[in-house]
Amino acid sequence: KAGVTQTPRYLIKTRGQQVTLSCSPISGHRSVSWYQQTPGQGLQFLFEYFSETQRNKGNFPGRFSGRQFSNSRSEMNVSTLELGDSALYLCASSPGHGNTGELFFGEGSRLTVL
Amino acid sequence: QKEVEQDPGPLSVPEGAIVSLNCTYSNSAFQYFMWYRQYSRKGPELLMYTYSSGNKEDGRFTAQVDKSSKYISLFIRDSQPSDSATYLCAMSAPGRAGNTGKLIFGQGTTLQVKP
Repeated sequence: KAGVTQTPRYLIKTRGQQVTLSCSPISGHRSVSWYQQTPGQGLQFLFEYFSETQRNKGNFPGRFSGRQFSNSRSEMNVSTLELGDSALYLCASSPGHGNTGELFFGEGSRLTVL
Repeated sequence: QKEVEQDPGPLSVPEGAIVSLNCTYSNSAFQYFMWYRQYSRKGPELLMYTYSSGNKEDGRFTAQVDKSSKYISLFIRDSQPSDSATYLCAMSAPGRAGNTGKLIFGQGTTLQVKP
């Protein structure tokens, strides 16, 4: 069974640009969550999508957005990039039902903002 | 104050040692407790999962949850160099459907097991 796939793995952007990251969940998983990981703040929850609807959101500015497609694949977008957005962005999938919090993570997209 | 506190280490032990990793938390609504392991340049992988209080054992790993003290632990017996990684505790609270993907993580403890 294939795991969670994230693309691109590495990317470099400059301040003010925007970026789109992609995530393909494990087959059959309907929930996709996004996290930001930085050395200073650790892993922080961005948002969760289930059946193409955002059903949970963390405390990030509106520059961070996402969406989910009918095949459960998800994308997140960061507009007007700031230096502080440099981080590892992790996608995680789960079946989406129940409430256990058992997530399966991808290897992440490492974003560097110059 | 963060909802979940975890000593970032680093923690260095000799091979074969017993390792104890801990987290404290402040939100009494947390019911699900997890430990993730993250190797360098990889995503976190679920190591242990516990619901409410109690102990859970899986091979060399034991997870303990003490809800009265708001304290969770992970013990690694007979530690191996391959255990060298960052260990993250994570928690979630039950509620309406929709909390599945929202975990609150500790900062992570970096562990090095020396041969």
